[in-house]
Amino acid sequence: KQEVTQIPAALSVPEGENLVLNCSFTDSAIYNLQWFRQDPGKGLTSLLLIQSSQREQTSGRLNASLDKSSGRSTLYIAASQPGDSATYLCARGSGDKLTFGTGTRLAVRP
Amino acid sequence: KAGVTQTPRYLIKTRGQQVTLSCSPISGHRSVSWYQQTPGQGLQFLFEYFSETQRNKGNFPGRFSGRQFSNSRSEMNVSTLELGDSALYLCASSSETASYNEQFFGPGTRLTVL
Repeated sequence: KQEVTQIPAALSVPEGENLVLNCSFTDSAIYNLQWFRQDPGKGLTSLLLIQSSQREQTSGRLNASLDKSSGRSTLYIAASQPGDSATYLCARGSGDKLTFGTGTRLAVRP
Repeated sequence: KAGVTQTPRYLIKTRGQQVTLSCSPISGHRSVSWYQQTPGQGLQFLFEYFSETQRNKGNFPGRFSGRQFSNSRSEMNVSTLELGDSALYLCASSSETASYNEQFFGPGTRLTVL
């Protein structure tokens, strides 16, 4: 079964802290790995897309890495801010669709 | 460039009724995918349409159907609604194949079945 797992399920950190969110997947035959952010009751906002031929992508304070051999991706958030509070989802693109993880709910305390 | 739009944003129906949701992709995008999001099951893939053809389908009953028009706009229909169909329905568009390319999501339609 193709699964995507995210750890931790929830995380609370003080403002300014650097943090890492983890995503693991069981099938290494992926096309890409995409990270999204979802605010409560809202749609998904695309943060970063890493193609299978790439190792990492960066956007502002966000850095995402991909290790296909170990089936892992990490999202690094530098200098976290209260506005970063949201649920973060990773999704693996392979075969015929995106498969989503269950998400990490992040709370950044002022 | 306008983003993905979904209508309506909120919907309340009763069991047994049917419902149609609409999604307009980003201009130039030909792929539209639909997802169901519930607290218990998370985000689950429903189906993908590309150039008016259903290309992929998730593991949902036949009550869930969709179509895509020549302008790439897509509709999703759920017949004989059940309480368990209450969910946030999200559509996403991408320029080409959904699994190859970056997907952009709409704000979703919140369906409540009473």
